[in-house]
This record gives sequence, C-alpha cells and structure tokens, in this order.
Amino acid sequence: EVQLVESGGGLVKPGGSLSLWCTTSGFNLSTYSINWIRQAPGKGLEWVSSISRGSQKIYYADSVQGRFTISRDNAKNSLSLQMSRLRAEDTAVYYCVREVRISGNYFFDFWGQGTLVIVSS
Amino acid sequence: DIHLTQSPTSLSASVGDTITITCRASQKISSYLNWYQQKPGKVPQVLIYAASTLHTGVPSRFRGSGSGTDFTLTISGLQPEDLASYYCQQNYGTSLTFGGGTKVEI
Repeated sequence: EVQLVESGGGLVKPGGSLSLWCTTSGFNLSTYSINWIRQAPGKGLEWVSSISRGSQKIYYADSVQGRFTISRDNAKNSLSLQMSRLRAEDTAVYYCVREVRISGNYFFDFWGQGTLVIVSS
Repeated sequence: DIHLTQSPTSLSASVGDTITITCRASQKISSYLNWYQQKPGKVPQVLIYAASTLHTGVPSRFRGSGSGTDFTLTISGLQPEDLASYYCQQNYGTSLTFGGGTKVEI
C-alpha cells in the first residue's frame, strides 16, 4: 500500500523556522518526483515545491522561493521541507504528494494526510 | 506564472443533474490540465489528467474536455457522493498552479 506520512507541523512565531518531514512506504521512492502542496484553512490548494527523483531538478513557488528548501533521501525513504522566515500567510496544512508521469503529462496520484503549520505570535 | 480561473466558485444542484465546471488558463497550456476532487475532510484525489483522460477507478459520469486555454469538467447524473470541491491544475512548465476551486453542493 502506497503511503506518505507527514510530520513536523506545529505552532511557530512569525520569522521563525520549522522543518517538515515526509516518510514514504509501499513504493520505490527513487522512481518518483515528490511535491509539497499546501492548503490554508478553508482555502484552495497551492503548490509549494517539487523535487525530481535524484534531486537534480528542484522548483519552488514564488511565494516561498528563498525561504523554503526541499530535499530527499531515497535510501531512507524520506523527504523534508525546511521552512524559514515564516509568515502568517504560510499557515496551512502541508501535503506530501507523489507525482506520476504518463505520456508527457504528470499529475498527483497519492497524497499524505497532511501536517498543520500555524504561524502566529 | 500561469493563472487558472475556475467558474463558478460554487453551485447547488440536484441528484441526477448534469453540471459543468470551467477552467480558463491565462495562456495556452495545450492539454496539460488535471482535475481533482476533494471531499469534505479528505485529501484531494485525481479525477482526470491530460485534460480528458479518466484516472483509474473514476466513474464514467466524469468527463473532461478542452485544450489551449479553455477546459471543462462535466459530471453527468450527479450523485450524493459527488458533494465536494473540484480543482483544476496545470503542469505546463515548472511552476504549477491550481484553480481557485468550485464547491458543489447537492
């Protein structure tokens, strides 16, 4: 069974830092790109970052560029999202999401249950 | 970044109805458009990828169409379990974006 399990969420003050983790099982992590996608309370979905299978290609949304860092360790079946200089608008549930590619198109086929980050003083 | 505009933002319909949700991209994205369903309290699930391909296990009452800048998601014969928010998402280029969502009430 494919599983992605996020951890590390919590309450942090504006300007602070937090690291999120994603542990995977049930599939070969080294063959998939992984994304972080967030959802503010009661709001829509926002793509945050992606990392390719071997970490060669890393992309960020403009809203987090320079503040967030994504990384992965395929041998440990895990990924992380290091977040710094956090702002109130970063408050959201953060999902770790597997990306699958079919015939040049790609989409998100498995999502973790998410971890809640609250940025507040 | 490519902006996706969904309409309507919400709609109310009855069981058995046919509804259509539209998604307009700010520039041409070929068929690099996916649709997701998010039921209340649940994580999103992909319904359609590449604008019109039904993902495995998705009921045939869901249909996607369009290319370029204009896309539609049609649900024929609405069921009670279709109560959800629906999001379009583009994967043209390296910066991915979602539409603002459409909440479907039954």
